Amino acid sequence: KQEVTQIPAALSVPEGENLVLNCSFTDSAIYNLQWFRQDPGKGLTSLLLIQSSQREQTSGRLNASLDKSSGRSTLYIAASQPGDSATYLCAVTPPRDDKIIFGKGTRLHILP
Amino acid sequence: EADIYQTPRYLVIGTGKKITLECSQTMGHDKMYWYQQDPGMELHLIHYSYGVNSTEKGDLSSESTVSRIRTEHFPLTLESARPSHTSQYLCASSEGGGGTNEKLFFGSGTQLSVL
Repeated sequence: KQEVTQIPAALSVPEGENLVLNCSFTDSAIYNLQWFRQDPGKGLTSLLLIQSSQREQTSGRLNASLDKSSGRSTLYIAASQPGDSATYLCAVTPPRDDKIIFGKGTRLHILP
Repeated sequence: EADIYQTPRYLVIGTGKKITLECSQTMGHDKMYWYQQDPGMELHLIHYSYGVNSTEKGDLSSESTVSRIRTEHFPLTLESARPSHTSQYLCASSEGGGGTNEKLFFGSGTQLSVL
């Protein structure tokens, strides 16, 4: 059974620092991996999607990598800003139309 | 980008009332999902649909029911609301087909409080 783990559960860093959020999954048979952002009391916003054949995706200050063989993905945030404060979730899509599996998220707080 | 809408945004209601949470998407997505999320906690899948007239229960037992009569519409109904139903309900959709580029889109959520 696929399991998705995100470490750490919470993280506080000073503004301007580069940071890495981690996501691990137990079954390498995935269609894709998505990173989402969630602000308190809101829905999830899709940040990046990495297909199973890809190694990384970039959007602005965000870079996500995928290593299927080791069951790991990282979300790199460059030059962090207070507006980046949110919960970041990763999710994997198993093959054969199975349900998407979410991690529990990392709560990120950027200190001004 | 897909447009997916949830109404109401906030709902405060008394115990025993019947409520329907609305979810609509305008991109013709086949797959739709309902998730329940308590503050600061993980997402729990409660219902999903892979197309018209298709509905399935998710991983978390729920007293709610859903219907999928039209592709764009996936309402969730609670016949008799209880305080234990207080939570945030998130609707999501994806294109379907199982491709590796299939992205999941979420609505803004409905925050339900049952008194």
